[in-house]
Amino acid sequence: DQQVKQNSPSLSVQEGRISILNCDYTNSMFDYFLWYKKYPAEGPTFLISISSIKDKNEDGRFTVFLNKSAKHLSLHIVPSQPGDSAVYFCAASGVNYGQNFVFGPGTRLSVLP
Amino acid sequence: DSGVTQTPKHLITATGQRVTLRCSPRSGDLSVYWYQQSLDQGLQFLIQYYNGEERAKGNILERFSAQQFPDLHSELNLSSLELGDSALYFCASTLTGAVNTEAFFGQGTRLTVV
Repeated sequence: DQQVKQNSPSLSVQEGRISILNCDYTNSMFDYFLWYKKYPAEGPTFLISISSIKDKNEDGRFTVFLNKSAKHLSLHIVPSQPGDSAVYFCAASGVNYGQNFVFGPGTRLSVLP
Repeated sequence: DSGVTQTPKHLITATGQRVTLRCSPRSGDLSVYWYQQSLDQGLQFLIQYYNGEERAKGNILERFSAQQFPDLHSELNLSSLELGDSALYFCASTLTGAVNTEAFFGQGTRLTVV
């Protein structure tokens, strides 16, 4: 039973446009959400996070939106750059859930020049 | 560079064998997590240690075991290896083991069982 879902295995976007990556979760005990970026042959790299007390967090070109009622979050990248091409993982955790992070299956983003 | 070091980077071994994967967390981090990523899959949580003690267990097989030593490095032992154990194994660390913070990942060990 997948508790964190990323229903789009891949996404292609033109350079300079917006990339929107989506993530859905099922467990209401999650209260902290993270996005990681992974290049081939490297470990995941932390990108941005959001706590459930917020609905938006911004860091440069990256913005994460959280809709708790829909159990949905999204990562917006504006403007997209070719160097953003990577696999993006959504992860969730919670103080009352347990001592680990639950990852989604990932979305492969390709930014085309 | 995340500060988390995993060795070896690659490992090829035969079915039925036993291997040990090693992880050194970021300096000062007390908690270590192990994850398995099979081909085109997400990261599956295996086990977490905090300051030498097991803190949480995920989908870890009985053939697998781990420990965290007094110097805080951790080892993941995989025994009676099967073809299906071929995967990327990642180690991550956090400062306090609290979940409402980011984890830093190593580059992973790619295990191939033949």
